[in-house]
Amino acid sequence: AQSVTQPDIHITVSEGASLELRCNYSYGATPYLFWYVQSPGQGLQLLLKYFSGDTLVQGIKGFEAEFKRSQSSFNLRKPSVHWSDAAEYFCAVAPMDSSYKLIFGSGTRLLVRP
Amino acid sequence: EADIYQTPRYLVIGTGKKITLECSQTMGHDKMYWYQQDPGMELHLIHYSYGVNSTEKGDLSSESTVSRIRTEHFPLTLESARPSHTSQYLCASSEVGTQWGQETQYFGPGTRLLVL
Repeated sequence: AQSVTQPDIHITVSEGASLELRCNYSYGATPYLFWYVQSPGQGLQLLLKYFSGDTLVQGIKGFEAEFKRSQSSFNLRKPSVHWSDAAEYFCAVAPMDSSYKLIFGSGTRLLVRP
Repeated sequence: EADIYQTPRYLVIGTGKKITLECSQTMGHDKMYWYQQDPGMELHLIHYSYGVNSTEKGDLSSESTVSRIRTEHFPLTLESARPSHTSQYLCASSEVGTQWGQETQYFGPGTRLLVL
């Protein structure tokens, strides 16, 4: 069965520090890949997505993610975190043959120290 | 980006009441979805629709029902609310990409439901 693993439940970084959130997936073929962010009490906002092509994807708010097929990973990065980045981050995959079925990881909560 | 609206944003209701959660989108997307999310947990698909008069159940079993009479509107109904229905409900619609299967889902702000 397809699955998405976000191994870090919580991550705390200082403002201005770099950030990497990990995401691994289990699927037979390369799926479509997404990162969403959810602020408290809000819905999900799309940060970036990977369908094909360049494996380094740029998103909104200064985020980027790199798809590594050999590691089945799609880690999210930001070079300098701002206090407003504190939120819950969800990685999601959609199998190419049933792309409507987004499968979500359990999320990583980012805390930012002043 | 899709403009997706959900009402109410918060709802506290007693056991046994019938409730309808509203979801509307203004982008003309054919596909729409309902997800259930418990606090601090991942999202689970409970219903989806490919278009008008099309509805399907998702992976997570739910006692709720949905309808799709208009493209822009995808309401979710609970005939008799119970405390176990307490959760956050997120509506989404998807934009189809240039190639088959390349869909991007955009989410509404969610409805937080508390059943007493």
